[in-house]
Order: sequence, then structure tokens, then C-alpha cells
Amino acid sequence: GQNIDQPTEMTATEGAIVQINCTYQTSGFNGLFWYQQHAGEAPTFLSYNVLDGLEEKGRFSSFLSRSKGYSYLLLKELQMKDSASYLCAVRDSNYQLIWGAGTKLIIKP
Amino acid sequence: DAGVTQSPTHLIKTRGQQVTLRCSPISGHKSVSWYQQVLGQGPQFIFQYYEKEERGRGNFPDRFSARQFPNYSSELNVNALLLGDSALYLCASSLETHGIYGYTFGSGTRLTVV
Repeated sequence: GQNIDQPTEMTATEGAIVQINCTYQTSGFNGLFWYQQHAGEAPTFLSYNVLDGLEEKGRFSSFLSRSKGYSYLLLKELQMKDSASYLCAVRDSNYQLIWGAGTKLIIKP
Repeated sequence: DAGVTQSPTHLIKTRGQQVTLRCSPISGHKSVSWYQQVLGQGPQFIFQYYEKEERGRGNFPDRFSARQFPNYSSELNVNALLLGDSALYLCASSLETHGIYGYTFGSGTRLTVV
């Protein structure tokens, strides 16, 4: 079966750095996405990785290792507005998105 | 530019009823995908349409059906509603079927079945 694992919940302090991990086992691989979702709202796109390595976008970076089936999302200089769920999704061999259950990130002052 | 628009935003239905949800993709996007998101879980893929043809179907019963119109808008229909169908239904559009350039989500339709 296809499986994507993320921690259920994480807590971090405003101004700090947090790393959210994602491991996956899917039927093929055609890219990995990270989305942010605030409660009751639609997911919004954060990053996309298809090759191994680090992609940096302002305060957000995402890393991929295809051989290990592993990715992480790194958030720097945390702000209160970063409190949200972070969803990892893998596009499989049929180009369908397989989603993790999401990691709820709580930012404390 | 308008993003992905979904209607209605909220809906309450009774068990056994039928519901139709609507989605208009971003202008120029030809692919629409539908997802069901139960509270506390990630989205689950239901359907993908591209150029009015079904390109993918998730593990959902035949009570779920969809179609795409010539203007690329789409409808999701659910018959014989069950309590377990209560969820946020998300529509995502992309330029082409593989979503190489990413997916943009609408704000969703919150369906409550009582």
C-alpha cells in the first residue's frame, strides 16, 4: 500500500526554527509537495521537490532524499501566523497526489 | 485573476439525499481534481478530469460521480448521502493533467450530513 508518515503535532517558539519530517512509501515517485493549511481553509502551496537536495524559498526550505523516501520542511524565524497544519503529498506513478495526515504546528510566544 | 472558486461554501443535507458541488478552475487551467478531507486527516483523492475526460478515480463508491464541462468547470455529485460523507470537499485546478506546475486549491465546500 501507499503510505506517508508525518508527526501529528509539533510545538515551537516564536523566532525559532522547526523541522517537520515526512517519510513516504508510494507506487512510484513524481515529485513531493508541501502545503500549509490553516484551520477551516484550503491548502496553500509551499514547495515542490522532484530532485534530491534542498529548495529554499525565503523562510521556508524543503529537502528531499529519494533513496531514503524522506523529506523535511524547515521553517525559520517562526511567526505566530505560521501556526497551521503542514501537509506532505507525493505524486505517484499515476500522477495522483497521495497525502499525509498533516502536522499541526503550534507556535508559542 | 480569480482563483479556484467553489460553491456552495457550506451545506447541510439529510441522510439519503443527493448533493451537487461546483468548481470553477483558474482561467487557463484545464484539469480539475476533487478531494475529500475529513477533520484531522489529509485530503483523499476522489476524481481528476482533464479536457472533459476522467483521468483518475480514487477509492470511493459509485455514489460519487463527477463531470467536467466545456468551460473546464466541474461538478461533483454524491448520491444516497451517509453520515460519513460529512467532510470538507476540495477542488484543485492545474494547467495540465500531471500537475507539473502545481495545484491550486479552492476554499472548499463544507458538507454536513445529519
